[in-house]
Amino acid sequence: RKEVEQDPGPFNVPEGATVAFNCTYSNSASQSFFWYRQDCRKEPKLLMSVYSSGNEDGRFTAQLNRASQYISLLIRDSKLSDSATYLCVVTTPTDSWGKLQFGAGTQVVVTP
Amino acid sequence: DTGVSQNPRHKITKRGQNVTFRCDPISEHNRLYWYRQTLGQGPEFLTYFQNEAQLEKSRLLSDRFSAERPKGSFSTLEIQRTEQGDSAMYLCASSAPGAAEKLFFGSGTQLSVL
Repeated sequence: RKEVEQDPGPFNVPEGATVAFNCTYSNSASQSFFWYRQDCRKEPKLLMSVYSSGNEDGRFTAQLNRASQYISLLIRDSKLSDSATYLCVVTTPTDSWGKLQFGAGTQVVVTP
Repeated sequence: DTGVSQNPRHKITKRGQNVTFRCDPISEHNRLYWYRQTLGQGPEFLTYFQNEAQLEKSRLLSDRFSAERPKGSFSTLEIQRTEQGDSAMYLCASSAPGAAEKLFFGSGTQLSVL
């Protein structure tokens, strides 16, 4: 079983709509959680951290559910420029701080 | 350009040859990471350095792979006796002191082993 699992998608979203997707992690000791964004043929870039109480950054909302061991990302008022692959990232205290575990990504396609 | 720089951008080699990639991190970043990514997968951790010390290396990493960061600045990743399964995008990232989990990635080196 992979340590970090994501629905690969693609999630086809009309412009202006809302899309949400989850990521599950297997290690209950995991402590830090992030969403990275990766455009086609580009490097990953940090989108946002995920805090226990949930957090927003503009149109993006991240939630953490420790009991069920998943994090979520919601995108409101989708823009064409939101089309990308969203990578879920988890760190655990037993790992070196350098060893972030990446999921395989969820592809989002925003259509006009 | 103050971002993470990787060279070369593309490398095509024949099976059995050795290849070396270079990464120049953001200058004030003390941590440097190497990841590998194949199509449809997320980045897979290979190794990381704090300054010049290599603190962790993936158990999945073959002995054919070696990385160095001799002066705590740039790093090199060498693959000896390349195999077709080594074909992937090799990504380097760096992070600043106190923000170890906020990785800044370079554009990567795309390796194709024929």
